[in-house]
Amino acid sequence: DAKTTQPNSMESNEEEPVHLPCNHSTISGTDYIHWYRQLPSQGPEYVIHGLTSNVNNRMASLAIAEDRKSSTLILHRATLRDAAVYYCILRGITGGGNKLTFGTGTQLKVEL
Amino acid sequence: DTAVSQTPKYLVTQMGNDKSIKCEQNLGHDTMYWYKQDSKKFLKIMFSYNNKELIINETVPNRFSPKSPDKAHLNLHINSLELGDSAVYFCASSPGPASTEAFFGQGTRLTVV
Repeated sequence: DAKTTQPNSMESNEEEPVHLPCNHSTISGTDYIHWYRQLPSQGPEYVIHGLTSNVNNRMASLAIAEDRKSSTLILHRATLRDAAVYYCILRGITGGGNKLTFGTGTQLKVEL
Repeated sequence: DTAVSQTPKYLVTQMGNDKSIKCEQNLGHDTMYWYKQDSKKFLKIMFSYNNKELIINETVPNRFSPKSPDKAHLNLHINSLELGDSAVYFCASSPGPASTEAFFGQGTRLTVV
C-alpha cells in the first residue's frame, strides 16, 4: 500500500470546522482513501472513504484533489468528542483482505 | 450490545507464560482480524480470517497462533511471552475480506513483566 503523510497534530476550537490534510503522492489508480479515527483508549473507528469524488456522510466530508495526490477530511463543527487521532489510509482494491496500514495519524485537539 | 468484544481488557503476566485473548463479533461478519498497537502507537495487522480460513498472515513470530472455531470468534494464543509482546491488541471484523469498513473492539492491553 502507498504511503500517506499527515501533520502530527492540529488544534481546533469547538463548533468550528476542521480541515485535516493528507498527502499521498504515490497513490495508484485503484487505491481507495480511507479515514479512521481513534479516540483515547478505544479501538479505531471508520469515518469515511472515497476513490475520486468528494464524499459526505453523517460524520464528515472527504475532499479529494483532482490529481488524487492529496485529500482533506472535513469535520464541519468540531466537538470535544472529536478529539482523537485521525488516520488517513490507502487501500488497494486488489489487496488481500482489509489490510489497513495505519501511519502515525494526526492528533486533533479540540478546545472550548 | 457490543459489536466486537474482546476479553480480557487488561492482562498482566510474567515472561515465559502462555496466554490467550478472546474475540467475538455479533455482526454476522465473515472476516475477522487481529491488529497490534505498540508503545509508539503504530497499528499493524497481524492476521485475518475469512470464514474460519486464514487469509492474511503478516510477519508474526510463531509464538502467536490465531484460532477461529467459527466465523464469529477469533482467538489469539501467545506462547512463551516476551517483554516485547507488551502492547494493545485489537480485534476487528468486516462483512467480507474486501469490505471498506472494519469494526474494531476496545482492545486488550497486554503487559509482560
